[in-house]
Amino acid sequence: AQTVTQSQPEMSVQEAETVTLSCTYDTSESDYYLFWYKQPPSRQMILVIRQEAYKQQNATENRFSVNFQKAAKSFSLKISDSQLGDAAMYFCAYAVGTYKYIFGTGTRLKVLA
Amino acid sequence: DAMVIQNPRYQVTQFGKPVTLSCSQTLNHNVMYWYQQKSSQAPKLLFHYYDKDFNNEADTPDNFQSRRPNTSFCFLDIRSPGLGDAAMYLCATSSSLGLTNEQYFGPGTRLTVT
Repeated sequence: AQTVTQSQPEMSVQEAETVTLSCTYDTSESDYYLFWYKQPPSRQMILVIRQEAYKQQNATENRFSVNFQKAAKSFSLKISDSQLGDAAMYFCAYAVGTYKYIFGTGTRLKVLA
Repeated sequence: DAMVIQNPRYQVTQFGKPVTLSCSQTLNHNVMYWYQQKSSQAPKLLFHYYDKDFNNEADTPDNFQSRRPNTSFCFLDIRSPGLGDAAMYLCATSSSLGLTNEQYFGPGTRLTVT
């Protein structure tokens, strides 16, 4: 069965510092997508970054980048120059088939001023 | 702004009393999804509509039903809510099926069952 594991229920980072959120997944598929979603308090989830499994190059979106290790089935999110607005719940998700997302349990990120 | 709207944001219902949650979208997307997210757990897909075609996940209880009267609206009906159905319910949309189509989420409805 496909599973997504986020082993850090909560993380803290000082403003302007860098933090890495971990995600591992289990699959027998060779072609799939991985996502990081951000859910601010009482707000909707928004897509932060997306990685296609067949692309070896790590995805980057401004201050957000991933470290995708396909053989290790690891997909971590690095947030550089952390800002107060980055405080949120972060969900890692694996997409399989044509539509189905499988989510991890999330990591709550606190940003300290 | 185009968006996914869920009403109400908070819903309290009694054990066994039917309840309906609402989702609307201004994105004109073909696909609408309903997820259940229990406390400290991952969001779990219940079902989705691709246009008017309804697709139920195999492990979704019969107690959960859905209606999509038009492109913009989708409803989640819980026929006889139990205490275990207390959760955040998330609606999402995508322009089409396929992994390249990003899912856009609403803010969720938090359901309490008393």
